[in-house]
Amino acid sequence: EPEVTQTPSHQVTQMGQEVILRCVPISNHLYFYWYRQILGQKVEFLVSFYNNEISEKSEIFDDQFSVERPDGSNFTLKIRSTKLEDSAMYFCATKAGGSYNEQFFGPGTRLTVL
Amino acid sequence: LAKTTQPISMDSYEGQEVNITCSHNNIATNDYITWYQQFPSQGPRFIIQGYKTKVTNEVASLFIPADRKSSTLSLPRVSLSDTAVYYCLVGSIILTDSWGKFQFGAGTQVVVTP
Repeated sequence: EPEVTQTPSHQVTQMGQEVILRCVPISNHLYFYWYRQILGQKVEFLVSFYNNEISEKSEIFDDQFSVERPDGSNFTLKIRSTKLEDSAMYFCATKAGGSYNEQFFGPGTRLTVL
Repeated sequence: LAKTTQPISMDSYEGQEVNITCSHNNIATNDYITWYQQFPSQGPRFIIQGYKTKVTNEVASLFIPADRKSSTLSLPRVSLSDTAVYYCLVGSIILTDSWGKFQFGAGTQVVVTP
């Protein structure tokens, strides 16, 4: 079964540092998402991406965050200057097309900001 | 996106059927219902999706009454490995309504014991 992969599985960084989280979507998928889950809390939507641009973003997704698909395969989430409260699991999700489709989630990247 | 309400937790024994009911009183005509499962430190995993009546796959059944204000996920003969958090999600068929994003609630923690 095709799957979404994410790297790294765990990232530890110092406050104020930049981090880039990577996702390899399922090939032929057109819609891409980032979600995060702070330990013990619910999964929160960050951003959706389609046709090489952001289609929607949440209040969490402020100027410190950016997404891109630089080479047509990897889908990345960059946090420019990490804060302690950015510590969370970050999940990438992708789907093939249309709304009534299954969204496939990756295994997540655990980000720890010290 | 319609707000959903589910029980916080449910306990069951191995081999029993588990039914989780989700309320979505404000569901719109264009909305469909999706259920996901999440194990600790893993990404959510798709279980089943439907718009009305009954949907069944190899894992679960989804019952949606005519008014669509609720839905029930049925897990037949659960095993210990079914211990997880189950999320009921509502999304729009119209792509540009929400670009396929999901708004996760707290979900239902199902604990299966021997």
